[in-house]
Amino acid sequence: GAVVSQHPSWVICKSGTSVKIECRSLDFQATTMFWYRQFPKQSLMLMATSNEGSKATYEQGVEKDKFLINHASLTLSTLTVTSAHPEDSSFYICSAVTSGGAYNEQFFGPGTRLTVL
Amino acid sequence: TQLLEQSPQFLSIQEGENLTVYCNSSSVFSSLQWYRQEPGEGPVLLVTVVTGGEVKKLKRLTFQFGDARKDSSLHITAAQPGDTGLYLCAGGGPYSGSARQLTFGSGTQLTVLP
Repeated sequence: GAVVSQHPSWVICKSGTSVKIECRSLDFQATTMFWYRQFPKQSLMLMATSNEGSKATYEQGVEKDKFLINHASLTLSTLTVTSAHPEDSSFYICSAVTSGGAYNEQFFGPGTRLTVL
Repeated sequence: TQLLEQSPQFLSIQEGENLTVYCNSSSVFSSLQWYRQEPGEGPVLLVTVVTGGEVKKLKRLTFQFGDARKDSSLHITAAQPGDTGLYLCAGGGPYSGSARQLTFGSGTQLTVLP
């Protein structure tokens, strides 16, 4: 149980284009999903908290107009990187918490490797 | 701001050796999770500890939550190459059901050489 998928697993795009990443909870309902960014051999950096049916809460320093988050259902959240630039290249990971879960346990997707040329 | 300091940052050992990773904070957490992450994949939850002084064992891995719930440790006995990965501790605040955020440690990159 508690499986989270991400699509695509990797994407290469040209500078200036937009890229959408999907995060799905496959066998549970997730009222809250989180989006992280990770650089090689470093820990996770929280970008935003996504709650179903409401606007995402962004961490300080994260541009909400650049990283658009939509959590339209209890099983799907999307992150759109708009007008991507090479500095946006990174490993993006989502996680989800179960609506009935305890102790803040998060279940992570496999991540999406974004490369902007 | 709650901070979690993890040490060591990097650790390279030979197969069969024992090791301990530490996770320390000045803040009290209601829960503490340990995750392992392999290259190109998402973190996988190993264990959750919630009671001060609690000890949990997962095969060759032993997790302990400090009495004051400010620190935790992960001990691996007889490490194997399959234990190689990035180990992350993460602290959970008061369980309110609204924020559900975790504070992540800086990570420990473990390499076990055959």
